[in-house]
Amino acid sequence: NAGVTQTPKFQVLKTGQSMTLQCAQDMNHEYMSWYRQDPGMGLRLIHYSVGAGITDQGEVPNGYNVSRSTTEDFPLRLLSAAPSQTSVYFCASSAIRTGGTYGYTFGSGTRLTVV
Amino acid sequence: GDSVTQMEGPVTLSEEAFLTINCTYTATGYPSLFWYVQYPGEGLQLLLKATKADDKGSNKGFEATYRKETTSFHLEKGSVQVSDSAVYFCALSRSWDSNYQLIWGAGTKLIIKP
Repeated sequence: NAGVTQTPKFQVLKTGQSMTLQCAQDMNHEYMSWYRQDPGMGLRLIHYSVGAGITDQGEVPNGYNVSRSTTEDFPLRLLSAAPSQTSVYFCASSAIRTGGTYGYTFGSGTRLTVV
Repeated sequence: GDSVTQMEGPVTLSEEAFLTINCTYTATGYPSLFWYVQYPGEGLQLLLKATKADDKGSNKGFEATYRKETTSFHLEKGSVQVSDSAVYFCALSRSWDSNYQLIWGAGTKLIIKP
C-alpha cells in the first residue's frame, strides 16, 4: 500500500548512543517532515524538507540532524541520545501543490526510549 | 502569529451521545482547516477537511463547518461509538506559507464508555 513507512517501530537506546530513524514515502511527495509527540505537548516540528537537497529546522531541532538525498527518503539522526529525547516520532509527507488542500500523510510512528 | 485552540480533554461520553469538540483559529487570510484522528498506538489520519468559508467536511459520521465569522471549525458527531475513542487534532494550513507548514492544536482525547 502506498504511504509513509517508518522504521523501527520501537527502539531503546542508552544515553550517548546515536541512531537513525528511517522514513520513506512512495507517493512522490516533495514535502517531508519529522514531528515528536510527547504527553500533553501535542505535535512539535523537528525538521522538514521541501525537496531533495533542501532541509530546514522546525520548532525543536537541537540534537537532531536530517538530510534529503532522494525524494523518497528523509532519515532523522540522533547524534548523542539523551533521556529528554524519549518520545514518539512521526514522519509526515505531502505534495506541495496540494498540501494546503489535502493535508499530510503520516507514518505509524517510532516509539523511542532513552535510558 | 497564527494559532489553533482546541478544548481541553479528556472528553468522556457514553455510547450514542452527541459529540462536539471545539476548535477556533487565528489566521490572516483564508486557511484550509483539518481534523485529524489518532487511534491508540497509531499515527495521525486525516478525518475531514474544509478549504473555504461555509464548506462542510464530513467523514465516518463526523462533520465540521468552516465558520469564518466565528473563526471556528467545531467537530460534531450525532451518535458516538466506543471505536471513536481516540485523540482528535484540529489544524490549519496557510496556502500562502512557503514553508508549507500545518499549524496544530494541542489535541483532544475522547473517551467513549459503553
